[in-house]
Amino acid sequence: EVQLVESGGGLVQPGGSLRLSCAASGFSFSSYWMSWVRQAPGKGLEWVATIKQDGNEKYYVDSMKGRFTISRDNAKNSLYLQMNSLRVEDTAVYYCARDGRSVVTPSCWGQGTLVTVSS
Amino acid sequence: DIQMTQSPSSLSASVGDRVTLTCRASRGISNSLAWLQQRPGKAPKSLIYAASTLQSGVPSRFSGSGSGTDFTLTISSLQPEDFATYYCQQYNSYPRTFGQGTKVEIK
Repeated sequence: EVQLVESGGGLVQPGGSLRLSCAASGFSFSSYWMSWVRQAPGKGLEWVATIKQDGNEKYYVDSMKGRFTISRDNAKNSLYLQMNSLRVEDTAVYYCARDGRSVVTPSCWGQGTLVTVSS
Repeated sequence: DIQMTQSPSSLSASVGDRVTLTCRASRGISNSLAWLQQRPGKAPKSLIYAASTLQSGVPSRFSGSGSGTDFTLTISSLQPEDFATYYCQQYNSYPRTFGQGTKVEIK
């Protein structure tokens, strides 16, 4: 069974940093593109970033470029999102998603982890 | 960026109804379109990719069609578990973009 389990969310002050993790199991992690998608309270879905199987290609939404960094460790079956210079508007549930091997759109989702940016 | 516009924003329907949701892209995206379902308080669930291909395990009452800029998601016979918000997402180019969602409510 495919499982994606996010962790690392919590309360952080504006300007602070947080590192989210996603532990993957039940599939060959190194064979899939992976993404982060977020959802602000009461709002719709917003794509954050995507990373290729070998980690050599990364894509970000402009508003997060330079502040957020997506990475992966295929040996540990883990996906990460390093978030710096956090803003109040970054408050959201952050979802880890498995994309396809070649079709780069989510096919499986984690349960999400809540990040709250507030003073 | 490609803008995705869904209509209607919400609709009320009864169990057993046939329901059609629409998604329009601001420019052509070929068939690089996915549909997702999100029940209240739950993570999204992917239903369809490549505009019309069902993800594994998705019931056959869901179907998708379209290409270019205009796409539809049809639920042939609405079930109680289908009351949710539905999102489309284009993956033709970066940044990936979602529609604003269509909420399907019980009449």
